Amino acid sequence: DGGITQSPKYLFRKEGQNVTLSCEQNLNHDAMYWYRQDPGQGLRLIYYSQIVNDFQKGDIAEGYSVSREKKESFPLTVTSAQKNPTAFYLCASSIGGTGEAEQYFGPGTRLTVT
Amino acid sequence: GNSVTQMEGPVTLSEEAFLTINCTYTATGYPSLFWYVQYPGEGLQLLLKATKADDKGSNKGFEATYRKETTSFHLEKGSVQVSDSAVYFCALRGGGTSYGKLTFGQGTILTVHP
Repeated sequence: DGGITQSPKYLFRKEGQNVTLSCEQNLNHDAMYWYRQDPGQGLRLIYYSQIVNDFQKGDIAEGYSVSREKKESFPLTVTSAQKNPTAFYLCASSIGGTGEAEQYFGPGTRLTVT
Repeated sequence: GNSVTQMEGPVTLSEEAFLTINCTYTATGYPSLFWYVQYPGEGLQLLLKATKADDKGSNKGFEATYRKETTSFHLEKGSVQVSDSAVYFCALRGGGTSYGKLTFGQGTILTVHP
């Protein structure tokens, strides 16, 4: 079945450590996105990538980094510079980044940093 | 910039009650509008969408009409079920150089009691 896989579902880290969240899609989509969700707030865009080897900052990119070496993979690293990393992280993909392409979301990773 | 405002929640209803969740937006140009639903512990699923003024999106008994004159996209359902309990997000995607970026409202928690 086609879809988006995020792993792990729950992740725990100590403050000061970098952590990488996985996102893989087998939908053959060109565009991929990372969002952050906090309680009582909508999703906020961290980074997005329109095509392999290219990515752009979203609204809240500080303290995060990404790579897009393969079409199907878009890992997100939460660095120690991110002041409030505890959140629910959602990855999404779409056929393209413009027009009416629907974004499909993965199940999310809940990161807790203590 | 673009923004989406949803009615404050949470919303609690009895089964078979009528549902309205208000959504208004601010955007330049002609955005596409979406409603997403998030069931507990899961990622987001597209519920319905509308891409131009006066379009009505519908799915699973839910409806929303794109009203450009009032910049609104209110979600309605005539008879809710317990299984509709979830968080509902209104979102927009602008055209032009926004590269498919979605702007979300803060989400509205809906709880339906038997």
